[in-house]
Amino acid sequence: DQQVKQNSPSLSVQEGRISILNCDYTNSMFDYFLWYKKYPAEGPTFLISISSIKDKNEDGRFTVFLNKSAKHLSLHIVPSQPGDSAVYFCAASAGLGGGNKLTFGTGTQLKVEL
Amino acid sequence: DSGVTQTPKHLITATGQRVTLRCSPRSGDLSVYWYQQSLDQGLQFLIHYYNGEERAKGNILERFSAQQFPDLHSELNLSSLELGDSALYFCASSPGTGGGEQYFGPGTRLTVT
Repeated sequence: DQQVKQNSPSLSVQEGRISILNCDYTNSMFDYFLWYKKYPAEGPTFLISISSIKDKNEDGRFTVFLNKSAKHLSLHIVPSQPGDSAVYFCAASAGLGGGNKLTFGTGTQLKVEL
Repeated sequence: DSGVTQTPKHLITATGQRVTLRCSPRSGDLSVYWYQQSLDQGLQFLIHYYNGEERAKGNILERFSAQQFPDLHSELNLSSLELGDSALYFCASSPGTGGGEQYFGPGTRLTVT
């Protein structure tokens, strides 16, 4: 049972434009959501997170939006840069009750083209 | 650099063997998590230790075990290895157990032949 879903395995965007990566979840106990970026042969790198009490969190070029009623979150990258090309994972946790384990989506490969 | 270290980086071994993967968390972090990333799957949670105690288990096989030592480093032991155990194994750490960000190491790539 895939509780966190990233339905787009890949996304291609032109440099300078907006990249929008999407993530859906099914477990209503999730209360904290994170985005990680992963380059080949490296571990995931934390990008940005959002608590379920918020609907938006911004950090520089990265903004995460959370729509709890739709059980949907998205990551916006503006403007996109070639160095952003990587696999992006959405993750969720259920706080103390969930043991703080992260449940990951299967990832979206972002390619930013010149 | 996340501050989490993992050794070895690569490991090649035969079926039926036993291996130990090692992880050192970021300075000050008391929680260590292990995840497995197989070829066709996302990252799957295996186990969580906090300050030496097991806190949560995920889809960890009985052939796998882990522990966290007093100096907070952790080891993941994989025994009776099968071809399907070939994967990337990541360790992550966080300061406590209150949720929030986890910081990942570079991973150990295990190949079972």
